[in-house]
Amino acid sequence: SAVISQKPSRDICQRGTSLTIQCQVDSQVTMMFWYRQQPGQSLTLIATANQGSEATYESGFVIDKFPISRPNLTFSTLTVSNMSPEDSSIYLCSVAGQTSSYEQYFGPGTRLTVT
Amino acid sequence: DAKTTQPPSMDCAEGRAANLPCNHSTISGNEYVYWYRQIHSQGPQYIIHGLKNNETNEMASLIITEDRKSSTLILPHATLRDTAVYYCIGAYNTDKLIFGTGTRLQVFP
Repeated sequence: SAVISQKPSRDICQRGTSLTIQCQVDSQVTMMFWYRQQPGQSLTLIATANQGSEATYESGFVIDKFPISRPNLTFSTLTVSNMSPEDSSIYLCSVAGQTSSYEQYFGPGTRLTVT
Repeated sequence: DAKTTQPPSMDCAEGRAANLPCNHSTISGNEYVYWYRQIHSQGPQYIIHGLKNNETNEMASLIITEDRKSSTLILPHATLRDTAVYYCIGAYNTDKLIFGTGTRLQVFP
């Protein structure tokens, strides 16, 4: 299994500002994923981040709003730009399992509140 | 990816089997059925997956109907720690997991 940590675990931000969320994995992985979970809702995939290439965004998510970096095989960042209260959510990163491609391992999430 | 339908909530007595149903009538022949769960304030956790045959691991059993249009996740002896939202997902692989609304399972003493 993969152990994933995220920083910060939670934050309260003012509208109009940006927050960068870090995701660190304890092993090298090819694919990393970023999800958003709005209050009381299910998870929604934001983008897939492969090392060495630009992230692939899902419908409804754009790079200008959610820029993603993937500088190496163990690390990724997601920035939530020009935040509004509607961006208040839990943001989670995950990775595909190495020994088994049938599992995704999820980080603990970053709880973001925008005021 | 297949659209899945699950009941919004279920209750189960501690020590009893919890049987969580999922309908996936549009699933393609080579799409797997994945089950994940999300315990409150945690990231989702993989439980089990299957294609055609029934599967069992240390956490649960997965029963898939012969026509593959539905499946049931079975937690044989539910505990209070099994209280969570359970997601049934139809997908070719884990490259793109689309989470539905899931079933909120409440295990009571």
